[in-house]
Amino acid sequence: SQTIHQWPATLVQPVGSPLSLECTVEGTSNPNLYWYRQAAGRGLQLLFYSVGIGQISSEVPQNLSASRPQDRQFILSSKKLLLSDSGFYLCAWSSLDEQFFGPGTRLTVL
Amino acid sequence: GENVEQHPSTLSVQEGDSAVIKCTYSDSASNYFPWYKQELGKRPQLIIDIRSNVGEKKDQRIAVTLNKTAKHFSLHITETQPEDSAVYFCAARRQSNYQLIWGAGTKLIIKP
Repeated sequence: SQTIHQWPATLVQPVGSPLSLECTVEGTSNPNLYWYRQAAGRGLQLLFYSVGIGQISSEVPQNLSASRPQDRQFILSSKKLLLSDSGFYLCAWSSLDEQFFGPGTRLTVL
Repeated sequence: GENVEQHPSTLSVQEGDSAVIKCTYSDSASNYFPWYKQELGKRPQLIIDIRSNVGEKKDQRIAVTLNKTAKHFSLHITETQPEDSAVYFCAARRQSNYQLIWGAGTKLIIKP
């Protein structure tokens, strides 16, 4: 069966520090991969999606970037965090219709 | 661009009553409409979905209806229980790149 992992689960970072969040998927090949951000009490904002290795589409311009170095690995990065980057970051994968979400990383930028 | 509107933003119902959440979409070519449930602090999980060739789908206490002409779909929960309390998101699949366009969410509160 397929599983999706994200780490870390929680993270507290100072403004201006770098960020790296990792997501890996097991049990499937060539999945579509997604990064979402969810501000407290708000909806799901799609940040990036990828249909294959090295293929990244950005939905919202911002100080974040994404990379897909391997088929089942998706990384979200920032060189300098802003206060507004705080939120719940969710990675997801899909093959056909349904999107399956990872457990999420709760990021607090102070 | 394509968008999905979801109403209400908050819904409070008495335990045992029914709850209805409605969504409208703008892309007439959309053909897949999932509903996700997100409990506090947890990940969203699919509870039911419907494709455009079907008008209604039911799974125990949960049902979804789709009106393609009016471009709206609804989630119906009957005999609500405390564990139904959560935020519910609707979505419509964009035909241009098959990505999901999400509604803003409905916070469902079940009063004992």
